[in-house]
Amino acid sequence: DSGVTQTPKHLITATGQRVTLRCSPRSGDLSVYWYQQSLDQGLQFLIQYYNGEERAKGNILERFSAQQFPDLHSELNLSSLELGDSALYFCASSAGTANEKLFFGSGTQLSVL
Amino acid sequence: AQSVTQLGSHVSVSEGALVLLRCNYSSSVPPYLFWYVQYPNQGLQLLLKYTTGATLVKGINGFEAEFKKSETSFHLTKPSAHMSDAAEYFCAVSDLEAGGTSYGKLTFGQGTILTVHP
Repeated sequence: DSGVTQTPKHLITATGQRVTLRCSPRSGDLSVYWYQQSLDQGLQFLIQYYNGEERAKGNILERFSAQQFPDLHSELNLSSLELGDSALYFCASSAGTANEKLFFGSGTQLSVL
Repeated sequence: AQSVTQLGSHVSVSEGALVLLRCNYSSSVPPYLFWYVQYPNQGLQLLLKYTTGATLVKGINGFEAEFKKSETSFHLTKPSAHMSDAAEYFCAVSDLEAGGTSYGKLTFGQGTILTVHP
């Protein structure tokens, strides 16, 4: 158990819909990272937050947004969903801003039908 | 920009045999390099990392990797494979900002699925 909790584990929705994925980092970790894993794109970095502030951005679509709340949990919002958004979304956390060691959650499997 | 190439999407070995998973990277600055393992239905777990210092890095579960700057490689090895090593392995490089500080943006290779036969 990495200590990173992601909910829900599975999500099935339709095209055009909006969903929210939730992540609780390990106790004490200030950084949260979101990654997308798909068969065609592999593992891709989406975005990082550190203590409530956006710290780094990857290939995150404009239809996607994220935030980190004062209690340090994070949410990834995906809107106007398309079939191609179907993927496994991972959250990871680390103690600080240097990613010397990331702890990954078990992911949310999103299926867009 | 950094990039990672893992040679071989599938590697199959017999139990007790040497495991060698290949990784080559491209980076314009001194890289931080990582190997992660993903077991079925689980998140990624860090095996080992190279940041600075000794180029031979030892990790968990008997794995090690050697950073070779001249070859831009960071191959993962284990002398004797065990059935429990069957998983997908990812090599990753860190995106370093100016000043050499890593900010958590990992670029992953496509992954290598390791199969271990009895």
